[in-house]
Amino acid sequence: GQNIDQPTEMTATEGAIVQINCTYQTSGFNGLFWYQQHAGEAPTFLSYNVLDGLEEKGRFSSFLSRSKGYSYLLLKELQMKDSASYLCAAPDNAGNMLTFGGGTRLMVKP
Amino acid sequence: EAQVTQNPRYLITVTGKKLTVTCSQNMNHEYMSWYRQDPGLGLRQIYYSMNVEVTDKGDVPEGYKVSRKEKRNFPLILESPSPNQTSLYFCASSSPGTTSSTDTQYFGPGTRLTVL
Repeated sequence: GQNIDQPTEMTATEGAIVQINCTYQTSGFNGLFWYQQHAGEAPTFLSYNVLDGLEEKGRFSSFLSRSKGYSYLLLKELQMKDSASYLCAAPDNAGNMLTFGGGTRLMVKP
Repeated sequence: EAQVTQNPRYLITVTGKKLTVTCSQNMNHEYMSWYRQDPGLGLRQIYYSMNVEVTDKGDVPEGYKVSRKEKRNFPLILESPSPNQTSLYFCASSSPGTTSSTDTQYFGPGTRLTVL
């Protein structure tokens, strides 16, 4: 089975940097996704990591360590609009199903 | 515009009254999926479809049915809804040329269902 854990809530200040962690236990490894979801809206894709290391995409970066079963999403220069839930997700070994963590609700304060 | 659409967006119904939530995508995606989202439980996969006439159960399939007669449509059917199926439902589809969930999934806007 798949198990994905992430903190429930985080708070950060506008302009700061925040790191949202995700640990996973999967029967195989087929990459790791991060999605952003604003309240009442659909999740939108942020990143997909397959190899170890940091991938940067503008203000957002995602890191993966396969040996540790660990990933994080790094948000720089936080803006108020970054207040949202951030979902970590992993496909199963066959790539047929996607299991999501419970999501981390990020609140950005002025 | 490339998109996944769901209808209805909001529905209040009563226990036992059959309902269908439609999902349609215009991106020629082969992979489609249904999720439900509940507070504290995150997104959980109900059913998925790798291609036309190919469907399979996800983590929480009980009480739901699906069909995939055409590539673009993947309706979710609740034959006899119960209050524990009150939830926010999302349909999603994956990039063309793939039959797996390992490609980016595009989500529909969601259907908020309340079963009284």
